[in-house]
Amino acid sequence: QKEVEQDPGPLSVPEGAIVSLNCTYSNSAFQYFMWYRQYSRKGPELLMYTYSSGNKEDGRFTAQVDKSSKYISLFIRDSQPSDSATYLCAMEGGSEKLVFGKGTKLTVNP
Amino acid sequence: NAGVTQTPKFQVLKTGQSMTLQCAQDMNHNSMYWYRQDPGMGLRLIYYSASEGTTDKGEVPNGYNVSRLNKREFSLRLESAAPSQTSVYFCASSDPEGSGWETQYFGPGTRLLVL
Repeated sequence: QKEVEQDPGPLSVPEGAIVSLNCTYSNSAFQYFMWYRQYSRKGPELLMYTYSSGNKEDGRFTAQVDKSSKYISLFIRDSQPSDSATYLCAMEGGSEKLVFGKGTKLTVNP
Repeated sequence: NAGVTQTPKFQVLKTGQSMTLQCAQDMNHNSMYWYRQDPGMGLRLIYYSASEGTTDKGEVPNGYNVSRLNKREFSLRLESAAPSQTSVYFCASSDPEGSGWETQYFGPGTRLLVL
């Protein structure tokens, strides 16, 4: 079993939809949980991060971490065509090295 | 601030040729990283440098060497390129202090095709 599992999609939704992106993990040592956004032919950029369990909201984006279930989610409300990108989850457990999911490609159709 | 810069942007090599991918950051970060990204495989860490003069292997180091030339620069060398090394290579930097964690900032990537 891979340390981090992420459904690669692709995921296609209409503009305005609520999008749910998810990752599961197996390493209990992970404490920092991140979501990166990667536009086509660009480098990943940090979208949100959370420490330990709980929710974090930033505008239309909400990140959730459930450490008991080893499950993290990113919700995008009122999705826009500009949200079309690949979303990568990443985790870190004290080693300063990130472990990435494979990424989910999202397309938001106008 | 340019952030993290990478050269070249694109390169075609023949099997057996060598090349060095260059990376530089202007954020005064201590840690630098090299990743490769392949379809269906996500980002995988090749090598890592926690500070000037130190390097450490990541998940997929075979076929690569690195040099942390100074605090700003971290290069990745392919001594004898193979088709399996066709990929997009990303450099990143961060500045974790103490027991915390800091954002990794990524460069724009180098697309490498090995024929």
